[in-house]
Amino acid sequence: ELQLLESGGGLVQPGGSLRLSCVASGFTFSSYAMSWVRQAPGKGLEWVSAISGSGGSTHYADSVKGRFTISRDNSKNTLYLQMNSLRAEDTAVYYCAKSRGNWGNGFDVWGQGTLVTVSS
Amino acid sequence: DIQMTQSPSSVSASVGDRVTITCRASQDISNWFAWYQQKAGKAPKVLIFGASTLQNGVPSRFSGSGSGTDFTLTISSLQPEDFATYYCQQSNTFPYTFGQGTKLEIK
Repeated sequence: ELQLLESGGGLVQPGGSLRLSCVASGFTFSSYAMSWVRQAPGKGLEWVSAISGSGGSTHYADSVKGRFTISRDNSKNTLYLQMNSLRAEDTAVYYCAKSRGNWGNGFDVWGQGTLVTVSS
Repeated sequence: DIQMTQSPSSVSASVGDRVTITCRASQDISNWFAWYQQKAGKAPKVLIFGASTLQNGVPSRFSGSGSGTDFTLTISSLQPEDFATYYCQQSNTFPYTFGQGTKLEIK
């Protein structure tokens, strides 16, 4: 069964840092691009960042560029999101999602999400 | 950035009704387009990719059409489990963008 399992969310103060992890199983992790997508409470979906299957290419939303870093360890089937200089507006459920191909067309597997709350 | 505009933002319908949701892209995205369903407290689930290809396991009452800038999701006969929020998304150009969502409610 194809599965993604996120962890690392929690309560953090403004200006603080957090690292999210997403462990993949059931597919050849290194063959697929991966993304992080977030959803603020009561709001819609916002794509945050993506990384190619090899890890050699990354992309970011303007709202997180320079503060967040996406990375992956294909030997551990794990995707990461390092979040620095966190702001209240970063409060959201963060999902990891698998692209249908190297970049693909749509996200066909999603994790259950991990909640990040930025508050003093 | 490519803007994705869904309409309507919400719709009320009854079991058995046919429902259509539209999504317009601010520029040509060919068929790099997907539809998702999200139920409260759950992760999104892909329904349609490539604008018109049904994801494995998704009921055939769901269908998608369109190319370029205008796309449509149709549910041919609503079932109780279809009441949810639906999102469109483009993956033609970074940053990937989602529509604002369409909430499908029971009439």
